[in-house]
Amino acid sequence: KQEVTQIPAALSVPEGENLVLNCSFTDSAIYNLQWFRQDPGKGLTSLLLIQSSQREQTSGRLNASLDKSSGRSTLYIAASQPGDSATYLCAVNTGFQKLVFGTGTRLLVSP
Amino acid sequence: DAGVIQSPRHEVTEMGQEVTLRCKPISGHDYLFWYRQTMMRGLELLIYFNNNVPIDDSGMPEDRFSAKMPNASFSTLKIQPSEPRDSAVYFCASSSGDMGGQPQHFGDGTRLSIL
Repeated sequence: KQEVTQIPAALSVPEGENLVLNCSFTDSAIYNLQWFRQDPGKGLTSLLLIQSSQREQTSGRLNASLDKSSGRSTLYIAASQPGDSATYLCAVNTGFQKLVFGTGTRLLVSP
Repeated sequence: DAGVIQSPRHEVTEMGQEVTLRCKPISGHDYLFWYRQTMMRGLELLIYFNNNVPIDDSGMPEDRFSAKMPNASFSTLKIQPSEPRDSAVYFCASSSGDMGGQPQHFGDGTRLSIL
């Protein structure tokens, strides 16, 4: 059974810092991996999707990497801003659109 | 383009009552998903549909839960009878394409409280 773990569970940084969020999964047989952002009282917003054949994806200040063989992904946020404060979730696609979610990292960026 | 629309946003009801959650997916999306989020268990997939047909309902916790998709623009998740442990945030999501090559788009959820 696929299990997804995110470390750390919570992170607090001052504005401007670069930071890395980690995601690990137990079964490397995945189709893709997605990073989502969740704001309080809101749904999930898709940030980046990495196909299993890809190593990384970039969108603005965000960069996500994937090492399928070791079961790891990282989300790198450059020059963090208070507006980046949210919970970040990774999810692996185990096939046929089924996503298994991690437990999330709660990020607080202080001005 | 409108996103995934869920209603109601909040629902408070007494134990034993029937609860119906509604979802309108993004137009043109052929996959629809129902998830449940709790502090203890995180986000869990309950059921998903492809072209209005239920594909996998292995996440549905009990027979008290049922879901339907009568057409491409509407789905319901029903709980009957409801119990306090059903209290959670229920999300609907939709996507297009096979094998999950496209991201899933989520609604804002329904926060359900069963007293």
